[in-house]
Amino acid sequence: DAKTTQPNSMESNEEEPVHLPCNHSTISGTDYIHWYRQLPSQGPEYVIHGLTSNVNNRMASLAIAEDRKSSTLILHRATLRDAAVYYCILRRGIQGAQKLVFGQGTRLTINP
Amino acid sequence: DTGVSQDPRHKITKRGQNVTFRCDPISEHNRLYWYRQTLGQGPEFLTYFQNEAQLEKSRLLSDRFSAERPKGSFSTLEIQRTEQGDSAMYLCASSSKRDPSYEQYFGPGTRLTVT
Repeated sequence: DAKTTQPNSMESNEEEPVHLPCNHSTISGTDYIHWYRQLPSQGPEYVIHGLTSNVNNRMASLAIAEDRKSSTLILHRATLRDAAVYYCILRRGIQGAQKLVFGQGTRLTINP
Repeated sequence: DTGVSQDPRHKITKRGQNVTFRCDPISEHNRLYWYRQTLGQGPEFLTYFQNEAQLEKSRLLSDRFSAERPKGSFSTLEIQRTEQGDSAMYLCASSSKRDPSYEQYFGPGTRLTVT
């Protein structure tokens, strides 16, 4: 399974943008980049995913480097409810490959 | 509530006892997953079902662990002869084959403590 590298922790202030980086230098051509987050005492929840192009949804934006060896999850205006552990995951885009391989993630703290 | 549900939410057991956890996926989700999460770590994949067929099992899943999904709806995860190292949060997730994002919806987990 291709590996991802994330900072252990990050801190930001409420109502400011947050950029969460992820390195995945061994990504293969069929790997999708998924982001999940886990709020305290809850199961993980899907945030966003992409393959090559940048993606936007109501929760966040995903910026993918041209060589796909890194990506950045962008929270445009952080709120206290965004405090969570954020996981960057590569999912093999081949038939039958369903499991998610989580790393340790980035613990995001939001200051009021 | 139409999300993934898990029962029980907490289980305390003595070493050597057997335990069984239940997961009810989102209705009509044909894919179901089990993960295990220890303190400070990300979830680790255990096994995956498509309908009633168990299609993938992690090497982490020793022969003391067994999972079933007999009618392609709810699933059970049984741990026999529990050990202290089995203490963890056991998470269940489900997804739909028709969802192009392959989004997995997670339940709240069952926290197991082996004393």
